[in-house]
Amino acid sequence: DTGVSQNPRHKITKRGQNVTFRCDPISEHNRLYWYRQTLGQGPEFLTYFQNEAQLEKSRLLSDRFSAERPKGSFSTLEIQRTEQGDSAMYLCASSSQGPSGELFFGEGSRLTVL
Amino acid sequence: QQQVKQSPQSLIVQKGGISIINCAYENTAFDYFPWYQQFPGKGPALLIAIRPDVSEKKEGRFTISFNKSAKQFSLHIMDSQPGDSATYFCAASIGTGGFKTIFGAGTRLFVKA
Repeated sequence: DTGVSQNPRHKITKRGQNVTFRCDPISEHNRLYWYRQTLGQGPEFLTYFQNEAQLEKSRLLSDRFSAERPKGSFSTLEIQRTEQGDSAMYLCASSSQGPSGELFFGEGSRLTVL
Repeated sequence: QQQVKQSPQSLIVQKGGISIINCAYENTAFDYFPWYQQFPGKGPALLIAIRPDVSEKKEGRFTISFNKSAKQFSLHIMDSQPGDSATYFCAASIGTGGFKTIFGAGTRLFVKA
């Protein structure tokens, strides 16, 4: 199965530390998205790539957050100087450039900041 | 204007019953309305979707009803089964770009055996 893969699945860190999450999208998908989901809420858009170009960033994405997709394949999301409010599930999704609009989500990376 | 409001927050239905989840939106530019299903520990997965040029779409036991004038849409799950127990998210987007997909807060459905 070549679904969306995210690593690590769980990360516990202390406030002030940096963390990095990786997402491997479905290989033929050129669009990649990062969403954040907190308990009891729906996913909130963070950022979007088409191939290697980062085309849109949400205002939720503070200066401490950076995302890359260097070769248009996998993507990383780094959070610097983590805060307790960063604790959430970080979801990656990918899609093809077609009319269906379907997002294929990974299982997410859960971040806990102590 | 960008919000998608979803209700109820949680729902308990007997096996074989009908589960109904409602959503409302404000932005008339939305033109794609998907429903996602999420099981614990998993990412959301597309269940069914509709565009505003039709009023109803049915796939198996799942039906979306869409009321463009009221800016409301709903998910009906017929003959609900314990395996349907999950969290359901309505969503809306402008075009098919996922970056413009706005999700509702979700409905936790529990189907009693």
